[in-house]
Amino acid sequence: ETGVTQSPTHLIKTRGQQVTLRCSSQSGHNTVSWYQQALGQGPQFIFQYYREEENGRGNFPPRFSGLQFPNYSSELNVNALELDDSALYLCASSLFPTDEKLFFGSGTQLSVL
Amino acid sequence: DQQVKQNSPSLSVQEGRISILNCDYTNSMFDYFLWYKKYPAEGPTFLISISSIKDKNEDGRFTVFLNKSAKHLSLHIVPSQPGDSAVYFCAARRIQGAQKLVFGQGTRLTINP
Repeated sequence: ETGVTQSPTHLIKTRGQQVTLRCSSQSGHNTVSWYQQALGQGPQFIFQYYREEENGRGNFPPRFSGLQFPNYSSELNVNALELDDSALYLCASSLFPTDEKLFFGSGTQLSVL
Repeated sequence: DQQVKQNSPSLSVQEGRISILNCDYTNSMFDYFLWYKKYPAEGPTFLISISSIKDKNEDGRFTVFLNKSAKHLSLHIVPSQPGDSAVYFCAARRIQGAQKLVFGQGTRLTINP
């Protein structure tokens, strides 16, 4: 059974740039959720993708967008990066959209300078 | 607006003793509560959960207690072992918008030999 994998593990960008983060879901999982974890805080829900459609969104601006592919892998795109976007970005997969048992990847640490 | 709060950033416990981690919430619409554990450089992993219709759930050394009137839940670990040293996140879910988990800030538990 393959777990959730994220790439890259670390990334440094400058303000105003764009970034794409990638996630491969656990085998058999058709739902992917993205969370942002700022330093010293808990993960905060960005959005969820189910069957290639956005299925719920948290309080994040439109410059945060995503995709889900037919193989259930997913991308998180952030445009016009701001300093406050510096955080650990966690991808989590689950068997179905309301499954509370999320399987998280190790995350991508994004630093915006 | 922090709807799920873990007021203790850290906790230190002797090996073999009981660890008690606390969590408070403000939203009475939450119907399901969870605890996740996170080791450094890894994503959070699901530990134990409880539905709002129950007041206790046990799984081996881990027990979660829910006090709905006080909007408070706690995680008891007994006996505590060195491998329990990690950051513990409390999380909650509403029936509406159930795809989204709301996390607390986390408590770093250290088990001393």
